[in-house]
Amino acid sequence: SAVISQKPSRDICQRGTSLTIQCQVDSQVTMMFWYRQQPGQSLTLIATANQGSEATYESGFVIDKFPISRPNLTFSTLTVSNMSPEDSSIYLCSVGGTAEGNEQYFGPGTRLTVT
Amino acid sequence: RKEVEQDPGPFNVPEGATVAFNCTYSNSASQSFFWYRQDCRKEPKLLMSVYSSGNEDGRFTAQLNRASQYISLLIRDSKLSDSATYLCVVNSGGSYIPTFGRGTSLIVHP
Repeated sequence: SAVISQKPSRDICQRGTSLTIQCQVDSQVTMMFWYRQQPGQSLTLIATANQGSEATYESGFVIDKFPISRPNLTFSTLTVSNMSPEDSSIYLCSVGGTAEGNEQYFGPGTRLTVT
Repeated sequence: RKEVEQDPGPFNVPEGATVAFNCTYSNSASQSFFWYRQDCRKEPKLLMSVYSSGNEDGRFTAQLNRASQYISLLIRDSKLSDSATYLCVVNSGGSYIPTFGRGTSLIVHP
């Protein structure tokens, strides 16, 4: 399995500001994903981070609000822009397409609170 | 109909009990199936893959029924530490993008 780290682990931000979350994997992976999970809710896929090209966003999520970078096969960032309290959530990075098959492995998450 | 459906529970069982969860999926082209475990305020972690022939890992048994489009997870001799949310995950053929169920909450009490 892949070892995934995320930074920051948590943050409290003021509305209107932006936060960039980093995801680092210990091995090269084909697929990287960004999810959001609100308390007591299921995981919601925000986008697939594509290496060397623009991310693929799911319905309801747009690049202007959640810009994503993927400069190489081990690193990605997600920015939550112009934050509002509704953006308070846990943001999770995950990877798939490792040598072990298409299971997904998750980072520890970033707990964001917007005040 | 949702793509992946699970009974949210909670399932409240005593230690030592046997408990089973089902998960139904709507896409008949689905090819990969998994159970994940998520502890409170933690990330989901892969529990086990579900193969056509079934899969057993200690106290945990996962089975796939393609005809009825559901997978199941059986936990025998429940432990307090089994208390968590169990997520059903389904991948469509050729896609790395999985579909997650909402999860089934299990509470094992003394």
